[in-house]
Amino acid sequence: GAGVSQSPSNKVTEKGKDVELRCDPISGHTALYWYRQRLGQGLEFLIYFQGNSAPDKSGLPSDRFSAERTGESVSTLTIQRTQQEDSAVYLCASSSGGTDTQYFGPGTRLTVL
Amino acid sequence: LAKTTQPISMDSYEGQEVNITCSHNNIATNDYITWYQQFPSQGPRFIIQGYKTKVTNEVASLFIPADRKSSTLSLPRVSLSDTAVYYCLVGDNQGGKLIFGQGTELSVKP
Repeated sequence: GAGVSQSPSNKVTEKGKDVELRCDPISGHTALYWYRQRLGQGLEFLIYFQGNSAPDKSGLPSDRFSAERTGESVSTLTIQRTQQEDSAVYLCASSSGGTDTQYFGPGTRLTVL
Repeated sequence: LAKTTQPISMDSYEGQEVNITCSHNNIATNDYITWYQQFPSQGPRFIIQGYKTKVTNEVASLFIPADRKSSTLSLPRVSLSDTAVYYCLVGDNQGGKLIFGQGTELSVKP
């Protein structure tokens, strides 16, 4: 079946604007994750959804960042009032839950001018 | 979560065997060791996971000594297409967030 998909693949925005990034997980995967990867760095965890449980938001860097997930399907990561330091690749992953094997999407490259 | 330490970079040539060692001195009894591979402009991809001794699949082997304080990812006969960043992670394999370090940037030359 299809893997994890993300859109847009690239997003250029101006400082202060809001952006929405979308993730479509693998069908049937109950767990969904968002990570951020700055240039030349490892991945930073942002937020984790598992079924109907309250999401783990411990990685969100500020209240400008939020995410939602509709049931066990699509998720949207929203960044309000973007700053230049928000420029990074935002990666989404999904898994069947209860495992460290996660399947990653291709990412959205966000550039804040 | 146990911290991992691995070399920042490694160079190799096509056809050689490459061994990347990861240190995880504070690994917990319930922790597994998982390796991911990341090509440029792509998300990471799961390679292999193990708990102890040796695990082998079609891509790589993973060697874990008895004290489990380190592990070695072995890539047999690398090709140019194995040039990537390799991440070693330690966790209880119960789901939840993954903690990525800097990874090892492997460069395979002709």
